[in-house]
Amino acid sequence: QKEVEQDPGPLSVPEGAIVSLNCTYSNSAFQYFMWYRQYSRKGPELLMYTYSSGNKEDGRFTAQVDKSSKYISLFIRDSQPSDSATYLCAMHAGGTSYGKLTFGQGTILTVHP
Amino acid sequence: GAGVSQSPSNKVTEKGKDVELRCDPISGHTALYWYRQSLGQGLEFLIYFQGNSAPDKSGLPSDRFSAERTGGSVSTLTIQRTQQEDSAVYLCASRTGSAIQTQYFGPGTRLLVL
Repeated sequence: QKEVEQDPGPLSVPEGAIVSLNCTYSNSAFQYFMWYRQYSRKGPELLMYTYSSGNKEDGRFTAQVDKSSKYISLFIRDSQPSDSATYLCAMHAGGTSYGKLTFGQGTILTVHP
Repeated sequence: GAGVSQSPSNKVTEKGKDVELRCDPISGHTALYWYRQSLGQGLEFLIYFQGNSAPDKSGLPSDRFSAERTGGSVSTLTIQRTQQEDSAVYLCASRTGSAIQTQYFGPGTRLLVL
């Protein structure tokens, strides 16, 4: 079993829809949780990160962490065609993990006009 | 300023050959990571460099893989006697010493072993 599980999709939604992306994890030591966006043939770019449990909002994006359930989510409101990409969750334990990230497999999202 | 750059963009090699992949991190970034992204496996950590400390090699899949970082800047990942299962995208990321959450990724090198 992988430490981080993410539904690979693909996920196809119409423009303007609310998108929910999710990951579950098994390592209770994880403290830092990130969401990356990766366009085709590009490197991942950091969208958001949160520390421990709670919510964080940035424009159309909201990240949620529920450590008790070992479950994290990314919500995208008013989705746009430009949001079409692969979304990767990632996490690390902090401290002596030195930021070594453990990634989910990524969810492929297509937002069609 | 310039981001993380990697070369070559694409590499096709024959099974059994050695390959070298290069990463130029963002200037001033003291931490550097290599990851591998392959179908079915997602993104996997390979190796981590921080300043002059000994690298963390815990993610290297076999002794055919090695990496070095010269002068605290450019890094080279070497794969000896390549196998078909080494085909993947090799990504490099760097960050400042303090901003542990923010890794900047390069575009990757796409390696195909025939």
